[in-house]
Amino acid sequence: QLQLQESGPGLVKPSETLSLTCTVSGDSISSTSYYWGWIRQPPGKGLEWIATIYYSGTTYYNPSLKSRASISVDTSKNQFSLKLRSVTAADTAVYYCARNYYFYNYMDVWGKGTTVTVSS
Amino acid sequence: EIVLTQSPGTLSLSPGERATLSCRASQSVSSSYLAWYQQKPGQAPRLLIYGASSRATGIPDRFSGSGSGTDFTLIISRLEPEDFAVYYCQQYSSSAWTFGQGTKVEIK
Repeated sequence: QLQLQESGPGLVKPSETLSLTCTVSGDSISSTSYYWGWIRQPPGKGLEWIATIYYSGTTYYNPSLKSRASISVDTSKNQFSLKLRSVTAADTAVYYCARNYYFYNYMDVWGKGTTVTVSS
Repeated sequence: EIVLTQSPGTLSLSPGERATLSCRASQSVSSSYLAWYQQKPGQAPRLLIYGASSRATGIPDRFSGSGSGTDFTLIISRLEPEDFAVYYCQQYSSSAWTFGQGTKVEIK
């Protein structure tokens, strides 16, 4: 059974870099049928797509976050990661990783999410 | 960037009633790339509908999706207690994914 698990610090200081990793179990991240992505949800608000990556390394970014975000994949570890630079309180959110089906571009499997708070 | 606008913001209904949720896009969206999700408090979103009208695995047939172009609809034919949640539409176009702001379906 496919599972995605987010990991990383729950507290990040303003102006620093947020770093998260998603570990995929039960399937290969090198599957040609799927992308892998990050989505976040600020407290009490809606969902915001951040970035998506294909196993080959092809990346896609939300234009509003592109200057600060970086997504990468490590096929040997079956993981993909997100870095978000120069964070502010507005980056406080639950961060989800998700599998994205290539042909229809929907997100069919999600991690449980990890809460990241930006505060000094 | 395509903006998705969902209405209403909140829908107050009783169990057994029919829920009709709307998702309007700022530009035409391929039906293949329109999805709906359900999210309950403290949980990750769950895929309900993809390709505008196809139910995801394990989704009851009381959930149905329709629409094309800029107007899409999610219908819950008879609300069950577990259906009270927030619903999001999502689209993909030009290498970008966007979500609507959500519709909360609450118990009246």
